[in-house]
Amino acid sequence: EVQLVQSGAEVKKPGESLKISCKGSGYSFTSYWIGWVRQMPGKGLEWMGIIYPGDSDTRYSPSFQGQVTISADKSISTAYLQWSSLKASDTAIYYCARSAGYSSSNRYFKHWGQGSLVTVSS
Amino acid sequence: EIVLTQSPGTLSLSPGERATLSCRASQSVSSSSLAWYQQKPGQAPRLLIYGASSRAAGIPDRFSGSGSGTDFTLTISRLEPEDFAVYYCQQYGSSPTFGQGTKVEIK
Repeated sequence: EVQLVQSGAEVKKPGESLKISCKGSGYSFTSYWIGWVRQMPGKGLEWMGIIYPGDSDTRYSPSFQGQVTISADKSISTAYLQWSSLKASDTAIYYCARSAGYSSSNRYFKHWGQGSLVTVSS
Repeated sequence: EIVLTQSPGTLSLSPGERATLSCRASQSVSSSSLAWYQQKPGQAPRLLIYGASSRAAGIPDRFSGSGSGTDFTLTISRLEPEDFAVYYCQQYGSSPTFGQGTKVEIK
C-alpha cells in the first residue's frame, strides 16, 4: 500500500526557518515525482513544485520559485519542503502528493499525504 | 501559466440530482492533461479523474469527465450524500495549476 506520511504541525515566528517532511513507503521512492501543494485557510489548492527523487530534477511554480526549496533524500525515502525566512502569509496546510508515473502525462497526483499545518505568528 | 476557471463557484443540489461542473482553461491543455479531485472538510484531496476522462481506481461510475482543448466538464450523474464536497480541476502540463474549486452543497 502506498503511503505518504507527513511531519506534524508547526508553529513558528516570522523570520524563522522551517523544513517539513514527507516519507513515502510501499513503492519505489525514486520512480515517481513527489509534489507539494499549498492550501491557505479557507482557500483552494495551489501547485508549488515537484521533485523526481531518482535524479533530483526539481520544478517550481513561478509563484513559488525562490520562496521555498524542495529536496529529497532517497536513502530514507523522504521529500522536504523548506523555508529560510517564514512570513505570516506562509500560514497554510501543505500537502505532499505522489505522481502516477514519470512521464508528463502521468504527473497528476494519485496519492496524497495527510497534510502538515504550518502556522506563522508573532 | 495556464489559468483554470471553474464554474459555478457553488452548486446547490439535492441528493439524486445531476451535477455538472465546468473547468475552462486560458489556453489549450496539452494531451488532455486534466485531472479532477474531490476534497471534503479536514481531508486531503482525492483523485477522481485523470486524462480528462479516465476514472481513477475505486471511483464510482457516477463520476465522469469529458472535454478537450480549453473546455472540460465533470459530471456526477446522481448525487449521493457523500458527494457533497469541493471539486478542483488541475492541468498537469508544463507548469501545472489548479482551478479555484467548485463547492457542491446540499440544497
